[in-house]
Amino acid sequence: DAGVTQSPTHLIKTRGQQVTLRCSPISGHKSVSWYQQVLGQGPQFIFQYYEKEERGRGNFPDRFSARQFPNYSSELNVNALLLGDSALYLCASSLQPSGRYEQYFGPGTRLTVT
Amino acid sequence: QQQVKQSPQSLIVQKGGISIINCAYENTAFDYFPWYQQFPGKGPALLIAIRPDVSEKKEGRFTISFNKSAKQFSLHIMDSQPGDSATYFCAVGGSYIPTFGRGTSLIVHP
Repeated sequence: DAGVTQSPTHLIKTRGQQVTLRCSPISGHKSVSWYQQVLGQGPQFIFQYYEKEERGRGNFPDRFSARQFPNYSSELNVNALLLGDSALYLCASSLQPSGRYEQYFGPGTRLTVT
Repeated sequence: QQQVKQSPQSLIVQKGGISIINCAYENTAFDYFPWYQQFPGKGPALLIAIRPDVSEKKEGRFTISFNKSAKQFSLHIMDSQPGDSATYFCAVGGSYIPTFGRGTSLIVHP
């Protein structure tokens, strides 16, 4: 079975631009979470979706938004990019929401903002 | 407030040695304690996880020790191998969204 897939792998954007990142969960998984990982730090939670509904939101500004589609894939959007948004963006899927179940991470999208 | 504190930040071990990484948490509501392994350029991979109803869980060379009263848990890697060189993250979860530690960079010298 395929694991979590993310696209694109790498992305370079300019300050002020907007970006959309995509994630496909493991087949059968209905929950998708997004994390931001800055170099040298642990992943920071951004959003969690389950059955197309937002189930949790981390401490990120409103420039960050996400959605989940009927096939459980998900998109993360970031508007008005700042230099500080440069990071590895990780998507994780799990069978159930909340923090009590195994999460499986994708390879991430490396975003560089110049 | 940092919900989980991980130490050490970096660790160097000789091949065949034991690697020990520690995490401490504050909120007693957490009831799921996973460890993740991350190689450069890759996403974190779930290594082993424990729930608070047991004090120890072993999978191969990897063992989690859990001390509920002290609110601490640790990862032990027995017979450490150069291929274990990676960054390790602990996390805490429950009804709350998982929170990750800052990571430990492990280097195993051959």
